[in-house]
Amino acid sequence: EDQVTQSPEALRLQEGESSSLNCSYTVSGLRGLFWYRQDPGKGPEFLFTLYSAGEEKEKERLKATLTKKESFLHITAPKPEDSATYLCAVQEGYGGATNKLIFGTGTLLAVQP
Amino acid sequence: ETGVTQTPRHLVMGMTNKKSLKCEQHLGHNAMYWYKQSAKKPLELMFVYSLEERVENNSVPSRFSPECPNSSHLFLHLHTLQPEDSALYLCASSQDPIGSRWGRSGETQYFGPGTRLLVL
Repeated sequence: EDQVTQSPEALRLQEGESSSLNCSYTVSGLRGLFWYRQDPGKGPEFLFTLYSAGEEKEKERLKATLTKKESFLHITAPKPEDSATYLCAVQEGYGGATNKLIFGTGTLLAVQP
Repeated sequence: ETGVTQTPRHLVMGMTNKKSLKCEQHLGHNAMYWYKQSAKKPLELMFVYSLEERVENNSVPSRFSPECPNSSHLFLHLHTLQPEDSALYLCASSQDPIGSRWGRSGETQYFGPGTRLLVL
């Protein structure tokens, strides 16, 4: 059964304290792994798509990496405005009937000034 | 956020009411999705439309009825809902070119702001 597990569930950082969020996945053929940011009461905002192991993408203080079993979202010198829930999702490949995304439950990040 | 819009943003309804949620995408996509997001649970896919044809119905109760009149608009018709249906309902869209289902690249889905639904 396809699964996505995110850890930790919640993370509290001081401003400037770098850390990483983890997304472990089990899927029969990966077409894509997606990271989203979600602020309270809003829809998920797209951050990155990773397609193959070894791929990395960066955007401001965020860097996403991918292996065959997991993805990391590294946050360097975070600021309070980085506080949000970060969602990971995978898209099954090779024979999947639709572009179905399987989501994890997210990591709630709080960055204190 | 203006790429995918949803109305209303908030909705309170009784169990005997009938209401509709509306989603509109301005991204030129041809696939649209309804998701349900409840507290402490992953986003749950409800329905998928590709080229205005429903391609997935994820065992959703019949009190939820989707409609996709064209590739830019998606509706979710609600009737005789239960309190446990209270949640954030999210619409998303993506590009789904012919053959991508069997291809190697995933298509990014872009989400609207959601409708916060409370069923009393």
